[in-house]
Amino acid sequence: DIMMTQSPDSLAVSLGERATINCKSSQSVLFSSNNKNYIAWYQQKAGQPPKLLIYWTSARESGVPDRFSGSGSGTDFALTISSLQAEDVAVYYCQQYYRTPWTFGQGTKVEIK
Amino acid sequence: QVQLQQSGPGLVKPSQTLSLTCAISGDSVSNNTATWNWIRQSPSGGLEWLGRTYYRSEWNNNYAESVRSRITMSADTSKNEFSLHLNSVTPEDTAAYYCARGGSGYENWLDPWGPGTRVTVSS
Repeated sequence: DIMMTQSPDSLAVSLGERATINCKSSQSVLFSSNNKNYIAWYQQKAGQPPKLLIYWTSARESGVPDRFSGSGSGTDFALTISSLQAEDVAVYYCQQYYRTPWTFGQGTKVEIK
Repeated sequence: QVQLQQSGPGLVKPSQTLSLTCAISGDSVSNNTATWNWIRQSPSGGLEWLGRTYYRSEWNNNYAESVRSRITMSADTSKNEFSLHLNSVTPEDTAAYYCARGGSGYENWLDPWGPGTRVTVSS
């Protein structure tokens, strides 16, 4: 199985400041034939199911604010919230869909400082 | 817009079978460009993909190794829904269970997710 490891486990950021969450896969999730990294990011607010934010590492799902961006390649990825808003308080998960079983990072809790 | 609605018991006794159903609106369970997944979330928050069922001229299932010996997934085209059956449950199977739609081919991100069913395994 491909193991996904996120860091940090939690972070507190002031409103309007940048938040960056890192995600590392135990093996490359870059598919050479299409040059795509098979990484998605989800946001889970309290009492709700996870919601898709980003797929193909950096493609924003429709309706997702552009303050959310994804980056990375190979085994190292990041989700950045450029200017944290109160409604962004949530737990964020990365997921690889390169090979079954699909696997997730352990989650990063984002709070307001 | 695809929507998923889950049903099933919130309490299951040890050694019994956990059965959940996910009803689909806005799509077809037989859509040959979709997959239908089950994921669970432990009380500590970790997400574990359990498996998927999908139709590509015939029905296919993929299961996580951790539950392979105990799990069955199926689809009911007449009701446009899919189901999860997990037998011989133990307290370690206590979790929130989610259904989710996945894409076809390489587009296997999960969207949308059902609202979740919190299942407790206890006598």
